[in-house]
Amino acid sequence: QKEVEQNSGPLSVPEGAIASLNCTYSDRGSQSFFWYRQYSGKSPELIMSIYSNGDKEDGRFTAQLNKASQYVSLLIRDSQPSDSATYLCAVNRGDSSYKLIFGSGTRLLVRP
Amino acid sequence: DVKVTQSSRYLVKRTGEKVFLECVQDMDHENMFWYRQDPGLGLRLIYFSYDVKMKEKGDIPEGYSVSREKKERFSLILESASTNQTSMYLCASSFEGVPTLYGYTFGSGTRLTVV
Repeated sequence: QKEVEQNSGPLSVPEGAIASLNCTYSDRGSQSFFWYRQYSGKSPELIMSIYSNGDKEDGRFTAQLNKASQYVSLLIRDSQPSDSATYLCAVNRGDSSYKLIFGSGTRLLVRP
Repeated sequence: DVKVTQSSRYLVKRTGEKVFLECVQDMDHENMFWYRQDPGLGLRLIYFSYDVKMKEKGDIPEGYSVSREKKERFSLILESASTNQTSMYLCASSFEGVPTLYGYTFGSGTRLTVV
């Protein structure tokens, strides 16, 4: 079992729809969770972080965390073609506060 | 804004060459990391450093070494480049303490091709 698992996609949604990206992790000691966006040929950029169970909203983005189920998700409302990218889930290792483990990413395509 | 600068965007090297990838950050971050990214395998940690002259192996250190002589600079060295080291190499940095509050800041990446 991978430490951080994501569906590779592609996830295809029409413009204006809600895109839902999911991630599961295996280390119950993990405390910090991040979503990065990576455009093709570019480096990852941080878009959301979450540390407590529940929802965290930032503009069109909402991160959701459920530690009991070891599940973190990212919702993108009013999806735009510019949101088309690969989204990486990252989780800190329970035995280390500063080491992150990355999922392989989910590719999102937003159709105009 | 924190800037993490990688010296080369694209590199082509020959098998057996010694290759140096340089990374510089300008925000006094304690932690620096080298990852490689390959399709289907995601980001894999090669080495990281939590202080000057301090380093620890990541998940795939074989064939690589690192150097951190100054706080702002972290170098990745491919001792004898091989074709299976063709990849995108990403440098990242973060604060000490509770850096995971802020995650990592990545450099723009170096796409290395070994022929």
